[in-house]
Amino acid sequence: RKEVEQDPGPFNVPEGATVAFNCTYSNSASQSFFWYRQDCRKEPKLLMSVYSSGNEDGRFTAQLNRASQYISLLIRDSKLSDSATYLCVVNYYTGNQFYFGTGTSLTVIP
Amino acid sequence: DGGITQSPKYLFRKEGQNVTLSCEQNLNHDAMYWYRQDPGQGLRLIYYSQIVNDFQKGDIAEGYSVSREKKESFPLTVTSAQKNPTAFYLCASTHRGGGADEQFFGPGTRLTVL
Repeated sequence: RKEVEQDPGPFNVPEGATVAFNCTYSNSASQSFFWYRQDCRKEPKLLMSVYSSGNEDGRFTAQLNRASQYISLLIRDSKLSDSATYLCVVNYYTGNQFYFGTGTSLTVIP
Repeated sequence: DGGITQSPKYLFRKEGQNVTLSCEQNLNHDAMYWYRQDPGQGLRLIYYSQIVNDFQKGDIAEGYSVSREKKESFPLTVTSAQKNPTAFYLCASTHRGGGADEQFFGPGTRLTVL
């Protein structure tokens, strides 16, 4: 079983739509959670960390559900510039390894 | 500006040749990582290092070697023993061990074996 699993998509949504991605992780000992954005042929860049109480940054909201071992990312009012691959990342303090999902592809259509 | 640099951006090599990918950071980060990304796949960990002169194998270390002689440098050698080395290689760093800190990535090196 993979450490981190994501629906690869693709998600094709019109501008202005709200879209949500989910990610599940297998190890209950996971301690830190992140969403990264990766543009085509570029390196991943941090979009936001995910905190236990949930957190929001503008149009982006991240939630963590430890009981069910999943994290989510909600994008409101989608922009063309949101088109990218979104990577779910979890980290275990022990060993300090980061585990990446395969990414969810989003295309926002005019 | 602080950051991570990787060179070269594109690299071509012939089968049977070893090649070394450079990764340098001036963020004063303790931990450094090498990942490989294949089309349509997630990042897979090759090696990581939490302190100078120490490193650990990741999930796919076979055919690769690293060194960590300086805090700011973590070069990766792709040896001829790596059977399918064509991929996008990403170097990353974090401030310290413990897991709470995000990873910062370099721009990557695209290696093509001819």
